[in-house]
Amino acid sequence: DVKVTQSSRYLVKRTGEKVFLECVQDMDHENMFWYRQDPGLGLRLIYFSYDVKMKEKGDIPEGYSVSREKKERFSLILESASTNQTSMYLCASSSRGLTYEQYFGPGTRLTVT
Amino acid sequence: DQQVKQNSPSLSVQEGRISILNCDYTNSMFDYFLWYKKYPAEGPTFLISISSIKDKNEDGRFTVFLNKSAKHLSLHIVPSQPGDSAVYFCAAWDQAGTALIFGKGTTLSVSS
Repeated sequence: DVKVTQSSRYLVKRTGEKVFLECVQDMDHENMFWYRQDPGLGLRLIYFSYDVKMKEKGDIPEGYSVSREKKERFSLILESASTNQTSMYLCASSSRGLTYEQYFGPGTRLTVT
Repeated sequence: DQQVKQNSPSLSVQEGRISILNCDYTNSMFDYFLWYKKYPAEGPTFLISISSIKDKNEDGRFTVFLNKSAKHLSLHIVPSQPGDSAVYFCAAWDQAGTALIFGKGTTLSVSS
């Protein structure tokens, strides 16, 4: 069964802290993605990666960075958390095949105070 | 500018009736469309998809219709059940083939 896991379901951090969100997939997928979901704004793509050590900016990369050292793991980093980064963060993965389907993790609800 | 639009933020339907969720897109080069369903505090799950070479795809109670000339697709749920209450996202595959482009979602509420 397809599985995408995220390191935390709920996280509370203080303004200015460095925050790491980890995502692991066990499907040997090439592509991995980070989104944030906010009410009324839908799913917005932050960064994605199509291979180890490769990364591409999505629609809203400002204030974030990513790391992909291993195929199965994709990390999202908030260098200095701010209150406007309070959100639900969703990781997803997909193969380069023809199905286009992305598989999502359960999400991390991050609150920055 | 939004390339995938879900203009109805919410929809309320009675159990047993049909739910119709709509989605419009602007890029005629999109060639694959997907619907995802999301419950609160969970990640989105894939529901149904359609290729641009088709105009209909059916899976149980769920049917997706694609009208390429109108750049419009719709998801029909028949009959609607209370467990269908969730946020539904329409998504399109972009030409670069690297990331899905999502609409803002429609919250469906099915009352018993």
